[in-house]
Amino acid sequence: GAVVSQHPSWVICKSGTSVKIECRSLDFQATTMFWYRQFPKQSLMLMATSNEGSKATYEQGVEKDKFLINHASLTLSTLTVTSAHPEDSSFYICSGSSSDTQYFGPGTRLTVL
Amino acid sequence: RKEVEQDPGPFNVPEGATVAFNCTYSNSASQSFFWYRQDCRKEPKLLMSVYSSGNEDGRFTAQLNRASQYISLLIRDSKLSDSATYLCVVNPFGGGYQKVTFGTGTKLQVIP
Repeated sequence: GAVVSQHPSWVICKSGTSVKIECRSLDFQATTMFWYRQFPKQSLMLMATSNEGSKATYEQGVEKDKFLINHASLTLSTLTVTSAHPEDSSFYICSGSSSDTQYFGPGTRLTVL
Repeated sequence: RKEVEQDPGPFNVPEGATVAFNCTYSNSASQSFFWYRQDCRKEPKLLMSVYSSGNEDGRFTAQLNRASQYISLLIRDSKLSDSATYLCVVNPFGGGYQKVTFGTGTKLQVIP
């Protein structure tokens, strides 16, 4: 299957700082990438749909000014968690689509102290 | 009613057992269906797509019942390595529209 990488795999930061997460499709071009968040023992919740060269589409309840998404190329999308707070601590996963199938990155575990 | 519903389990089964999970979806126009597997603290990995005619991949069989709006996953001869959470994923539109909805997952624990 297609390969998607994420960086960093884990990050610990202080409250109030910003954290940037990169998502790359390594062997295919992803016109659309998705960003999910997963809290412990819960399912993946879609945060936003990232389209190359255009603004992201955010799901209801997700603050676009807090979770900045940039999809500058067909192989790279970034999510920046601005002014992170402890309640933002979660597992953030991106995915890229190829032929109607989503392939997930390994996830980034964010802990905000 | 949730868009995609699964029994969260856990299903505790002995090695070698056969186990089946069901997943119901609310949008009758849904086009594409998938089963993903997620290990603890890892990302979901595609297990198999679910086709209208049903499909089999080794010990795994997936079925789709459009009339009753559910999909199923059957695992035969369970292995310890099958222990994971199995996520039901539904794409309501298909045809290149790729936003999907995840079920909450069914946890399987295979016991020696």
